[in-house]
Amino acid sequence: RKEVEQDPGPFNVPEGATVAFNCTYSNSASQSFFWYRQDCRKEPKLLMSVYSSGNEDGRFTAQLNRASQYISLLIRDSKLSDSATYLCVVNGEYNTDKLIFGTGTRLQVFP
Amino acid sequence: NAGVTQTPKFQVLKTGQSMTLQCAQDMNHEYMSWYRQDPGMGLRLIHYSVGAGITDQGEVPNGYNVSRSTTEDFPLRLLSAAPSQTSVYFCASSYGSSAGYTFGSGTRLTVV
Repeated sequence: RKEVEQDPGPFNVPEGATVAFNCTYSNSASQSFFWYRQDCRKEPKLLMSVYSSGNEDGRFTAQLNRASQYISLLIRDSKLSDSATYLCVVNGEYNTDKLIFGTGTRLQVFP
Repeated sequence: NAGVTQTPKFQVLKTGQSMTLQCAQDMNHEYMSWYRQDPGMGLRLIHYSVGAGITDQGEVPNGYNVSRSTTEDFPLRLLSAAPSQTSVYFCASSYGSSAGYTFGSGTRLTVV
């Protein structure tokens, strides 16, 4: 089993749609969770951290379910500029900074 | 504030050649890492460092060396390039495990 698993997509959605991405991780001792965004041929950029209580940043909402080892990202009112690959990231071992990246879910928003 | 700077942006090497990928950050981050990204594989950790003088291996360290003599710099050395090392290499830095990493713009390396 991969340490971090994501549906590769692509997810093709119209502008204004709500889309959700899911991610599962294998290490129950992981403490840090993130969503990154990567545009084609660019570097990954931190979108948001994910906290146990769930957190929101504008149109983006992240949720963490430790019992199920599951992370989600919800994007509301999708924009064309949201088209990118979204990477789920988890720290690989307890109390270290080795981040493990999922292979990403590609989102394409069309007019 | 330049963030994380990687050089070169593109490089073509012949099999067996050696080279150093440079990475520098001006954010006074203690943690720095090198990743490679290949199609369908995601980002894989090569080496990382939690401070000057301290380095450790990641998931795919073979064929690569690193050193961390200063907080700012974390060069990655390819000892004897192989076609399997054709990839996009990203350097990243962070001030702590809960903060996430800031990435450089990457080096696209082709080994022929």
